[in-house]
Amino acid sequence: GAVVSQHPSRVICKSGTSVKIECRSLDFQATTMFWYRQFPKKSLMLMATSNEGSKATYEQGVEKDKFLINHASLTLSTLTVTSAHPEDSSFYICSASPTRSYEQYFGPGTRLTVT
Amino acid sequence: DAKTTQPPSMDCAEGRAANLPCNHSTISGNEYVYWYRQIHSQGPQYIIHGLKNNETNEMASLIITEDRKSSTLILPHATLRDTAVYYCIATNNNDMRFGAGTRLTVKP
Repeated sequence: GAVVSQHPSRVICKSGTSVKIECRSLDFQATTMFWYRQFPKKSLMLMATSNEGSKATYEQGVEKDKFLINHASLTLSTLTVTSAHPEDSSFYICSASPTRSYEQYFGPGTRLTVT
Repeated sequence: DAKTTQPPSMDCAEGRAANLPCNHSTISGNEYVYWYRQIHSQGPQYIIHGLKNNETNEMASLIITEDRKSSTLILPHATLRDTAVYYCIATNNNDMRFGAGTRLTVKP
């Protein structure tokens, strides 16, 4: 089956610093990738939809200047959490949809802890 | 996307069938029913999806009622490794929006 990877799997950073999370589709091309956030004991919340070669579409309440998304190629999307604060600590999950398909494949997630 | 309603939790004995219900009474004609599951601290895993007909794959069966207002995911022989949160999503596009899901606990 299709594989999506994320790097890093976990990261600890200091308050005020920025963190970049990579999402890669390993064996297929993904025109569209999605970024989710999940707090403990809660469901996944869609943050933004990332389309290759264009600006991401953010969900209501998600700050686009804080969560920078770049989808520069058909196999890579990055999420940068800028000026991270402890409340940004969460499990960040990406998913990718193969070109011309409605199927979605999820990455293993990245656990961010901001101290 | 149509709203879906699932019981918050269910238990199942190991080796028995697990039947997970989902209500999607406002589903529109072109919305598919997708099922994903999430094992603790991992990304969601696709299980199955369908539009009108019942579907079966190596993981599970999906039974959709004739009026499409509800569906049931069936794990025919649940194992301890099937313990997870199961999400039912009704959508006609590819941005999956997750509800609270059902926490299935398979017990020995």
